[in-house]
Amino acid sequence: EAQVTQNPRYLITVTGKKLTVTCSQNMNHEYMSWYRQDPGLGLRQIYYSMNVEVTDKGDVPEGYKVSRKEKRNFPLILESPSPNQTSLYFCASSFANTPLHFGNGTRLTVT
Amino acid sequence: AQSVTQLDSQVPVFEEAPVELRCNYSSSVSVYLFWYVQYPNQGLQLLLKYLSGSTLVKGINGFEAEFNKSQTSFHLRKPSVHISDTAEYFCAVTETRGGSNYKLTFGKGTLLTVNP
Repeated sequence: EAQVTQNPRYLITVTGKKLTVTCSQNMNHEYMSWYRQDPGLGLRQIYYSMNVEVTDKGDVPEGYKVSRKEKRNFPLILESPSPNQTSLYFCASSFANTPLHFGNGTRLTVT
Repeated sequence: AQSVTQLDSQVPVFEEAPVELRCNYSSSVSVYLFWYVQYPNQGLQLLLKYLSGSTLVKGINGFEAEFNKSQTSFHLRKPSVHISDTAEYFCAVTETRGGSNYKLTFGKGTLLTVNP
């Protein structure tokens, strides 16, 4: 089954403790992206990747890192999480000129 | 830079009534337009898209949208809604250069609640 898999689905952590949210897709998509969703703000793009070893900042990249060492994986790294990064995070992937496939989301709480 | 405005944050309607969810965009270049739907506790899924051609676009679940370039709008419509259409709906835009998913910008969402 074609899918984008994010892990974990829920995560509670404390300020400053490094964490990684994984994202994997099995569709051989070149394009992958991370979004955060906050009430009243919709989805905002954090980082995206057009292909392996090619990443670029979205609209809200501060406090986040990504890597794209292989085509199927696009982890999101928070080196020192802060409470304002409490949010619902979505990973998405696609070929060029085709609709995005979204994962089911990761709900992160930073206390 | 592109932007999207969804004019209504919440739209309550009764079952079997028609509905229109409004979306306006701003861009200095040609755009692709999308509507996505998010059911509770799920990711987003594509309802429909406008890339080129006919300005009336039909999507899944009986939804359709009309691209109006002069009014920079892409309103979503359904003639008769069901309880199961209760969800949050997002309009999204991207510039045509660089591919259809390059720097996709989403609106803030419209929560459609269908009441019996």
